[in-house]
Amino acid sequence: AQRVTQPEKLLSVFKGAPVELKCNYSYSGSPELFWYVQYSRQRLQLLLRHISRESIKGFTADLNKGETSFHLKKPFAQEEDSAMYYCALSFLTQGGSEKLVFGKGTKLTVNP
Amino acid sequence: DSGVTQTPKHLITATGQRVTLRCSPRSGDLSVYWYQQSLDQGLQFLIQYYNGEERAKGNILERFSAQQFPDLHSELNLSSLELGDSALYFCASSPFMGEQYFGPGTRLTVT
Repeated sequence: AQRVTQPEKLLSVFKGAPVELKCNYSYSGSPELFWYVQYSRQRLQLLLRHISRESIKGFTADLNKGETSFHLKKPFAQEEDSAMYYCALSFLTQGGSEKLVFGKGTKLTVNP
Repeated sequence: DSGVTQTPKHLITATGQRVTLRCSPRSGDLSVYWYQQSLDQGLQFLIQYYNGEERAKGNILERFSAQQFPDLHSELNLSSLELGDSALYFCASSPFMGEQYFGPGTRLTVT
């Protein structure tokens, strides 16, 4: 079954330290992976998609098919990065509809 | 601003009641998704509509139902409300796979 696992419920780092939010997925096909961010119970916002290989707000994420991982990284964390981060896997069901499966999220706190 | 709007912002109601949450997707997006977010369950997918038709169902209770209208706005109906239904309800719309734009959410409190 398709599944997204974010092993850390909470992650706390100091400002300026590197941060890595882990995401592992389970999917037999070719995955489409995304990171979404939610600041203080606001709406979720798309942060990154693996297809575009972009860097947003200093964050990058690399798809590692061998390890079935899509970890989110930032070399120097900022206080404004404190938020809830969700990893998500998009795939087509057998019925042809698109489904987006979210991990349970990691709450990142960046301390001053 | 994602372009997705939801009303109302907050809703307080009593157990056993019925409420309707409304969502207007971004202009041009045909897909609408509904999610429930609670502290203990995290983000749970409820249901998806595409151009007026139900496309996928997630962890949606039988007491809940949804529809998408010809103008593409969607409504989520929650009935026989229980205390445990208190949560943030988000809708999202999507232009294509995986890229979902979320609304600000409706915070439902059942007392």
